[in-house]
Amino acid sequence: KQEVTQIPAALSVPEGENLVLNCSFTDSAIYNLQWFRQDPGKGLTSLLLIQSSQREQTSGRLNASLDKSSGRSTLYIAASQPGDSATYLCAVRRNYNQGGKLIFGQGTELSVKP
Amino acid sequence: GAVVSQHPSWVICKSGTSVKIECRSLDFQATTMFWYRQFPKQSLMLMATSNEGSKATYEQGVEKDKFLINHASLTLSTLTVTSAHPEDSSFYICSARGGARYNEQFFGPGTRLTVL
Repeated sequence: KQEVTQIPAALSVPEGENLVLNCSFTDSAIYNLQWFRQDPGKGLTSLLLIQSSQREQTSGRLNASLDKSSGRSTLYIAASQPGDSATYLCAVRRNYNQGGKLIFGQGTELSVKP
Repeated sequence: GAVVSQHPSWVICKSGTSVKIECRSLDFQATTMFWYRQFPKQSLMLMATSNEGSKATYEQGVEKDKFLINHASLTLSTLTVTSAHPEDSSFYICSARGGARYNEQFFGPGTRLTVL
């Protein structure tokens, strides 16, 4: 059974710091991995998608890496801003088929202080 | 692109009534839609998966007669909470997959249901 773990559960940093969020999964047979952001009381915003054949994806100040063999992904946020404060969720998808479900981690709650 | 909307964004109802929540993919055809439930400070719990034109597949422990899901078209899925009770109060989020970015899953803004 696939389990996804995110460390740390919460993180508070001063503005401007570079930071790394970690995600690990127990079964390396994944189809892809997605990182999401969730603001309080809102839905999820897709940040980055990494297919199993890829090693990393970048979007602006965000960079996500994937090491499938070791069951790990990291989300790197450069030059953090107060607007980055949110809960960050990673999720893995096992199958290609239409029913392939996302398995979510518990999230990392990020607070960036001005 | 890849926008998913939900309606209503919040609803308050009396115990025993039924509530319908709509989920629409606005700019792509969603071959698969998902419904999640989220409790405060917790991650998302998948309730069911539906493919257009097929019956939904419910996760273990989710009552299909309580939570009716209809995926009538490639852009619309509905979740009906029948005979709602206070314990059904939660944040419900839909998600969709399909179109050109078929590998990626996109989420709606969520619906806050409060049952009095």
